Amino acid sequence: QSVVTQPPSASGTPGQRVTISCSGGSSNIAYNYVNWYQHLPGTAPKLLIYKNDQRPSGVPDRFSGSKSGTSASLAISGLQSEDEAHYYCGAWDDSLNGPVFGGGTKLTVL
Amino acid sequence: EVQLVESGGGLVQPGGSLRLSCAASGFTFGTYWMTWVRQAPGRGLEWVSVIYIGGSTYYADAVKGRLTISRDNSKNTLYLQMNSLRAEDTAVYYCARVRYYDSSNNWFDPWGQGTLVTVSS
Repeated sequence: QSVVTQPPSASGTPGQRVTISCSGGSSNIAYNYVNWYQHLPGTAPKLLIYKNDQRPSGVPDRFSGSKSGTSASLAISGLQSEDEAHYYCGAWDDSLNGPVFGGGTKLTVL
Repeated sequence: EVQLVESGGGLVQPGGSLRLSCAASGFTFGTYWMTWVRQAPGRGLEWVSVIYIGGSTYYADAVKGRLTISRDNSKNTLYLQMNSLRAEDTAVYYCARVRYYDSSNNWFDPWGQGTLVTVSS
């Protein structure tokens, strides 16, 4: 059981906007940056969002991140079939003295 | 192009040992923190260990005392020495480069493709 929780699944139709939530606590999300990763099984995980809301170069602006208090969200607008993947949030945990990941959310594009 | 390629995974018996390698290219390896993250079958990502530029190392409690991270900057290679392996260590092991704002705020980019370690008799 991770100290940071995500819904196990999410879905949307092409063109739709979906959001994935990430809930933590005072030892992790509240005072530390949240990052998001996209992972297709059998491939290397890919950084999508860092420092709560920053996009690395090459990541489409359809992907956006936000944080408020002990929760964070990843929003994907203009959903495309290639967005079907697992999405993980991550943040440093001051109690565990190391980074923690959410359990992951499997996004299905219907 | 920045690239990380893991190797060394395989089948090992409980209590056995294995050494993973991660070959880095396309960046100045010696100037970055590096980390290992694993994913057990059907589970999410789990951080394993990190090594700083100066050689300081940190571990998740689940692996402390059994897994050892190291680096050889002359060979642009990161290692994970795995001893006293248990069934629960079965996972795909990924290496990643660490980017950071400070020691408590960092992110991993890029990641390698991973190498599978299976601990079973």
